[in-house]
Amino acid sequence: DTAVSQTPKYLVTQMGNDKSIKCEQNLGHDTMYWYKQDSKKFLKIMFSYNNKELIINETVPNRFSPKSPDKAHLNLHINSLELGDSAVYFCASSQAWDRVGYTFGSGTRLTVV
Amino acid sequence: DAKTTQPNSMESNEEEPVHLPCNHSTISGTDYIHWYRQLPSQGPEYVIHGLTSNVNNRMASLAIAEDRKSSTLILHRATLRDAAVYYCILRDGDNQGGKLIFGQGTELSVKP
Repeated sequence: DTAVSQTPKYLVTQMGNDKSIKCEQNLGHDTMYWYKQDSKKFLKIMFSYNNKELIINETVPNRFSPKSPDKAHLNLHINSLELGDSAVYFCASSQAWDRVGYTFGSGTRLTVV
Repeated sequence: DAKTTQPNSMESNEEEPVHLPCNHSTISGTDYIHWYRQLPSQGPEYVIHGLTSNVNNRMASLAIAEDRKSSTLILHRATLRDAAVYYCILRDGDNQGGKLIFGQGTELSVKP
């Protein structure tokens, strides 16, 4: 069983479109995250949700809207896609009160053309 | 957020030990030292973490300096599958939302 699963794995779309990336974790973790890895391989946190509540929003354009229907899911919806949104997006989860590690998904490679 | 400094890249030979250094001179008393690695085309993977004492697990060992201003991740016998980017990260243990802030990491290449 995949602990943190993201769909789709690859996404190619045109500028101006709206798209969603889904993430699910079966670890029973309380906290979920979205990270963006750009072409220079720099990993940057975007959002964090704890028990469906937004706790971190790192100056991300409001075209990006995370949604957490329950604590096992954190989806990322992106409106009006731009070329600069092309990146690999990683979902992760952790147990907020546990100082151990995050578990990351395998990533969604988004290409905006 | 406290910062870490790592070499951009390191090389190792297969089946030899590898020592990956990390400096964190501004570490605070509640910061845990975490190591992650990212294999090509995969998400980051937790390796090990520690606070003050040295730590061992099945993947690696973590040696923490007495003043906690530096640490070293030790891979005891490097394999080709250990080629990855290794990130040393400080995480605030008192902050329940404590986010992981990734730096540039050390790209480890392993030669057969």
